[in-house]
Amino acid sequence: NAGVTQTPKFRVLKTGQSMTLLCAQDMNHEYMYWYRQDPGMGLRLIHYSVGEGTTAKGEVPDGYNVSRLKKQNFLLGLESAAPSQTSVYFCASSKKQGTEQFFGPGTRLTVL
Amino acid sequence: KQEVTQIPAALSVPEGENLVLNCSFTDSAIYNLQWFRQDPGKGLTSLLLIQSSQREQTSGRLNASLDKSSGRSTLYIAASQPGDSATYLCAVRGDYKLSFGAGTTVTVRA
Repeated sequence: NAGVTQTPKFRVLKTGQSMTLLCAQDMNHEYMYWYRQDPGMGLRLIHYSVGEGTTAKGEVPDGYNVSRLKKQNFLLGLESAAPSQTSVYFCASSKKQGTEQFFGPGTRLTVL
Repeated sequence: KQEVTQIPAALSVPEGENLVLNCSFTDSAIYNLQWFRQDPGKGLTSLLLIQSSQREQTSGRLNASLDKSSGRSTLYIAASQPGDSATYLCAVRGDYKLSFGAGTTVTVRA
């Protein structure tokens, strides 16, 4: 079992460029999440999904979009990147609500 | 809005000493509380999950307690080792999401 994997590991973008981050899990989990981690702050939830075909906004959704076309994948998109989106992005999954969350290794994104 | 605080932000101890890490939260209406470990440049590794109905949870040298009414959790690590050096994060589960503290960075000196 690979657990939760994220692609890419690192990326540098220019302001205004777009990109998609891919998260994949092989644990057959229903719930998936995207967080961002900034220095001195805790992780903050961007978007989450409670099952295939569903998405919902988290704490800081502005500037991001997500899709969950397949149960095992959760995509995070930045349509027009801004320097404020420079961060480390983590994907997580859980079997159901209230159960343990498992995290991927993170994607370090820099927007110039 | 749930606020999660971890004090101190950093801690340095000699090898063999017991570690005590604190986490406090403002809203006691939680489903559970999870402790994570994060190594530099890495993802989060789940250490312990305590359900709201539980008072403590143990795994090896780790013990976590939860006092929901006072909004506190404590992570104890017995007989610390240099390999325990990392950042420890606590997170409380509300209605749909985890709310994280900023973490305590621990250095265990050999």
